[in-house]
Amino acid sequence: GENVEQHPSTLSVQEGDSAVIKCTYSDSASNYFPWYKQELGKRPQLIIDIRSNVGEKKDQRIAVTLNKTAKHFSLHITETQPEDSAVYFCAASRGSYIPTFGRGTSLIVHP
Amino acid sequence: NAGVTQTPKFRVLKTGQSMTLLCAQDMNHEYMYWYRQDPGMGLRLIHYSVGEGTTAKGEVPDGYNVSRLKKQNFLLGLESAAPSQTSVYFCASSYGVIYEQYFGPGTRLTVT
Repeated sequence: GENVEQHPSTLSVQEGDSAVIKCTYSDSASNYFPWYKQELGKRPQLIIDIRSNVGEKKDQRIAVTLNKTAKHFSLHITETQPEDSAVYFCAASRGSYIPTFGRGTSLIVHP
Repeated sequence: NAGVTQTPKFRVLKTGQSMTLLCAQDMNHEYMYWYRQDPGMGLRLIHYSVGEGTTAKGEVPDGYNVSRLKKQNFLLGLESAAPSQTSVYFCASSYGVIYEQYFGPGTRLTVT
């Protein structure tokens, strides 16, 4: 089955810095890669996703890049703000296979 | 639209007691999932369903049972609760496996 590894487990940055979270996956046939944000005490919510026919996708201060050859995808957050502090989860899936989630990254943005 | 709802929000059980968690969605999604979330362990899939009347085991199914008698509802049962089942439980639904999952607000369960 699919295996997704997410790094780092904790990321601490100063407000205004950029943050990058990376996930690697094992199944080369995976073709859907979402990122979820979970604020403290809240439910996970999708913030951005990418499909395998696209190499990069942006939405304001967040972007996701996909390298199919190396089997990794990354979340980039620019100009971080305190409200970006949360746990971020990546996932990978394909076809009829249930998505596999990474273990999560706790992002702390210091004012 | 209410999206995905879960009841109850909190529950305290004694070891050996049983309970059922209810998840409901109003988006006509085929896929529904139950996860547990423990500190440092991420989201671990307990059971899932690909449609009304179907269920399948996930990563950590032991000690849990599920049923999906109606498309909009997915029930998670604990027959004999154990302290190791203390966790936050999230239900989710999606149109398909390569589409966004919508999560419920979670149920915080404590087993003493």
